[in-house]
Amino acid sequence: AQKITQTQPGMFVQEKEAVTLDCTYDTSDPSYGLFWYKQPSSGEMIFLIYQGSYDQQNATEGRYSLNFQKARKSANLVISASQLGDSAMYFCAMREAISGSARQLTFGSGTQLTVLP
Amino acid sequence: EAQVTQNPRYLITVTGKKLTVTCSQNMNHEYMSWYRQDPGLGLRQIYYSMNVEVTDKGDVPEGYKVSRKEKRNFPLILESPSPNQTSLYFCASSGLAGRETQYFGPGTRLLVL
Repeated sequence: AQKITQTQPGMFVQEKEAVTLDCTYDTSDPSYGLFWYKQPSSGEMIFLIYQGSYDQQNATEGRYSLNFQKARKSANLVISASQLGDSAMYFCAMREAISGSARQLTFGSGTQLTVLP
Repeated sequence: EAQVTQNPRYLITVTGKKLTVTCSQNMNHEYMSWYRQDPGLGLRQIYYSMNVEVTDKGDVPEGYKVSRKEKRNFPLILESPSPNQTSLYFCASSGLAGRETQYFGPGTRLLVL
């Protein structure tokens, strides 16, 4: 079974509007962390936001927020006031404490976001 | 500036010709890892290292070797590259604290003919 599922291969959003990128995960580990990364066309991986499984509040970083619904095992990324520079591939990733590598990240297949002017 | 560097950034080679992709970090991180990225598959872990002289296999280790003789360096070795190893490769590092993210290098685009 997929550990991280991103069901939206591609998304379009109008500039200045908000957009939600979906991510669901599967784990039996009570302690885990969820990450979102941005990959622009230049290829580098840019860390955006982190949510720990025990965090009481949803994470926020500037225009990025994470809609964390633990019971539903979802960790959707919300980008407010989209900008043209937000056009990129976005990856959701999970780190489980019980994995063979305690720091291994398991990635979803990504969502390609295009911001329209 | 805190960073992870990889070299080369781009490489075209032929089947069977041994190659090494270097990775270096200047953040004194204990943990280092190699991933490969293929379309539709996201990033998959190849090998990782928890500290000097401590390495272990990730999800897709076949055809790759690594070494960790120094804390800052974690080279990826392809002893006999094959076309199915054509991919985008990322090195990453992090500390061992629970909330730490991984810092990624700029990526190495490899084409094996």
